[in-house]
Amino acid sequence: EAGVAQSPRYKIIEKRQSVAFWCNPISGHATLYWYQQILGQGPKLLIQFQNNGVVDDSQLPKDRFSAERLKGVDSTLKIQPAKLEDSAVYLCASSLAPRSTNIYEQYFGPGTRLTVT
Amino acid sequence: AQSVTQLDSQVPVFEEAPVELRCNYSSSVSVYLFWYVQYPNQGLQLLLKYLSGSTLVESINGFEAEFNKSQTSFHLRKPSVHISDTAEYFCAVSEVIQGAQKLVFGQGTRLTINP
Repeated sequence: EAGVAQSPRYKIIEKRQSVAFWCNPISGHATLYWYQQILGQGPKLLIQFQNNGVVDDSQLPKDRFSAERLKGVDSTLKIQPAKLEDSAVYLCASSLAPRSTNIYEQYFGPGTRLTVT
Repeated sequence: AQSVTQLDSQVPVFEEAPVELRCNYSSSVSVYLFWYVQYPNQGLQLLLKYLSGSTLVESINGFEAEFNKSQTSFHLRKPSVHISDTAEYFCAVSEVIQGAQKLVFGQGTRLTINP
């Protein structure tokens, strides 16, 4: 089966510019996650969707970051305006919808490496 | 809230030597633990997981990890490493809150294999 797709793979922008990342999850996966991975650190969850609804966005800097998952499939993550500290790899992951007694594996895409200059 | 600590940021070893990557987590009622591996320029891949049952879990490529509840640890081990094991390894803990499964990662351990 096809994995999680992300584009672009690399992006370089200047501070105060805007940028958008796209993610296509594995077919049938109701849950979609966006993570930020700063160099030398583990991934940090930014936002989690279940179908087209937001489940957790407690760590999303909402003054500059936004995300949507229209129609419950593809998702876009936007940064506007970007800051130097936003330089990181942005990872998208998907999984089956969680249930109280089942923990499902998250499948990760290759990521988008963002450099803000 | 759950948290994960990986005690070593870098671990250099010689090929065919044994290795242990350490991971400690904060305690909780239900603990689900994972090790992910990230090869250069690739996304994260699940290496192995502990959900319940036997405390010793194994991967298909020779890694194993043991869940130790009393020490709140989930260390990753391999008796003999290969050059191809060079990668970054992330320990993670999962919890389900109000129907949402949240994965919290450690800061990662870079494993470097020297010939």
